[in-house]
Amino acid sequence: QVQLVESGGGVVQPGGSLRLSCAVSGFTFSRYDTHWVRQAPGKGLEWVTVISYDGSSKYYADSVKGRFAISRDDSKNTLYLQMNSLRDEDTAVYYCAKRGDGGSHRHIDHWGQGTLVTVSS
Amino acid sequence: QSALTQPASVSGSPGQSITISCTGTSSDVGGYNYVSWYQQHPGKAPKLMIYDVSNRPSGVSNRFSGSKSGNTASLTISGLQAEDEADYYCYSYTSSSTLYVFGTGTKVTVL
Repeated sequence: QVQLVESGGGVVQPGGSLRLSCAVSGFTFSRYDTHWVRQAPGKGLEWVTVISYDGSSKYYADSVKGRFAISRDDSKNTLYLQMNSLRDEDTAVYYCAKRGDGGSHRHIDHWGQGTLVTVSS
Repeated sequence: QSALTQPASVSGSPGQSITISCTGTSSDVGGYNYVSWYQQHPGKAPKLMIYDVSNRPSGVSNRFSGSKSGNTASLTISGLQAEDEADYYCYSYTSSSTLYVFGTGTKVTVL
């Protein structure tokens, strides 16, 4: 079955850096666009970034552009999110998510359980 | 890119039908049939309920249906059940540089 398992969350000071990982299994990772989505405590979902199946295209939310970088290692079936210049408002649960099958593929059909990032001094 | 607009809360009694709206612009909801809907229970990851405006993934109850008119998409839950109490989010592809956007979220309460 499809599984996505995030890791790397924790507490970091403002201005610091953190790298999140997402290990996937149960599907052919190299054939799928994959996303990061976050949710601040008590708030709604916010789309963060997506990388195309071949790594050639990357898109970012305005709120993280220039600070976050998404990447993938298909040999390790792993998605990454490098987060730099972290701010208080980046505090959230970060989910990795798989592009959906069927139709336009412009949806998400599987999610990880999330990893909590807390930016605090 | 601003979040799509949803009502903060919607409520209904068991067995009733409710509809959640999701309003965007011609650059997102109105421009493409790429709206999806997600259900999220507290402390859980979201779950796909509808994709491409009105398509239901296998395993999702047919009590859930989606539609779109102009710049507004809608999710209807018929025969409301206690287990439907959750937060619901719409999501759309957008022609802006950011590519995707979520709605503000709607808390559904079963009275």
